[in-house]
Amino acid sequence: AQSVTQLGSHVSVSEGALVLLRCNYSSSVPPYLFWYVQYPNQGLQLLLKYTSAATLVKGINGFEAEFKKSETSFHLTKPSAHMSDAAEYFCAVSDILTGGGNKLTFGTGTQLKVEL
Amino acid sequence: DAGITQSPRHKVTETGTPVTLRCHQTENHRYMYWYRQDPGHGLRLIHYSYGVKDTDKGEVSDGYSVSRSKTEDFLLTLESATSSQTSVYFCAISELSSPTDTQYFGPGTRLTVL
Repeated sequence: AQSVTQLGSHVSVSEGALVLLRCNYSSSVPPYLFWYVQYPNQGLQLLLKYTSAATLVKGINGFEAEFKKSETSFHLTKPSAHMSDAAEYFCAVSDILTGGGNKLTFGTGTQLKVEL
Repeated sequence: DAGITQSPRHKVTETGTPVTLRCHQTENHRYMYWYRQDPGHGLRLIHYSYGVKDTDKGEVSDGYSVSRSKTEDFLLTLESATSSQTSVYFCAISELSSPTDTQYFGPGTRLTVL
C-alpha cells in the first residue's frame, strides 16, 4: 500500500522567511502526489499535484514542490512566507479505486505558523 | 470553488442514535467520497461512490453506510452513533477515473457524539 509521511506536525517561520514542509512517500510504483491546504474551519484546497509530467511543480499562492525519486520526497516550499499562509498542509498519494475514481491517502498534516 | 455543500455543518448527538449527513454537488461529477478527519490521522476514506447506486467501502467503513440515489447527492449514515465517530466529516468529488484527477472538498460537518 502506498503511504506518505509528513515530518514535523508543527512548523513555525517568520514572515518573509523560507517555508519548507516535508513529505516522503512510500510506493512500489511511480506515485501521484498532491499537496492540499486547509484553513481554519474550511475544507481542503488543492495547492499542487505531481503527475509525472515535470519534477518541479508550481502551485497556487507561490508554492512549489519538487519530486525527487532518489530521496522519495515531495517537499513543499515557498520562498517568502506571508501571514496568510498560516494553515494546515496535507500531503497525499493517489491510487485508483476498484470501481473507479481515486483514493487519496493523506499524511498526518503539518500546521504552519507564521510569526511577525 | 466547486459547488459542494454539506449539511448539517455541525451536529451534536447521543450515543446510539442514527445520524445522516448529506453531501450535495452541482458539478455533475461522477465520483463522490466521504472522509473523516481526526487529529494525528489526517483524512481517511470511509466510503465512495462511482455512480448512482454504485458504492464501495473505504479503509474505515465499519459503522457507516452510504447511499446515492441521484448524481448530486451522497448520504452518509451512522446507524447507531458511537463516541469514536466524533470527528469532522468531509465530502469530496472528482470527475475522472484517474489517479491524477483532483478531488474537490466540501466545507465539512463537525459531528460530536456524547
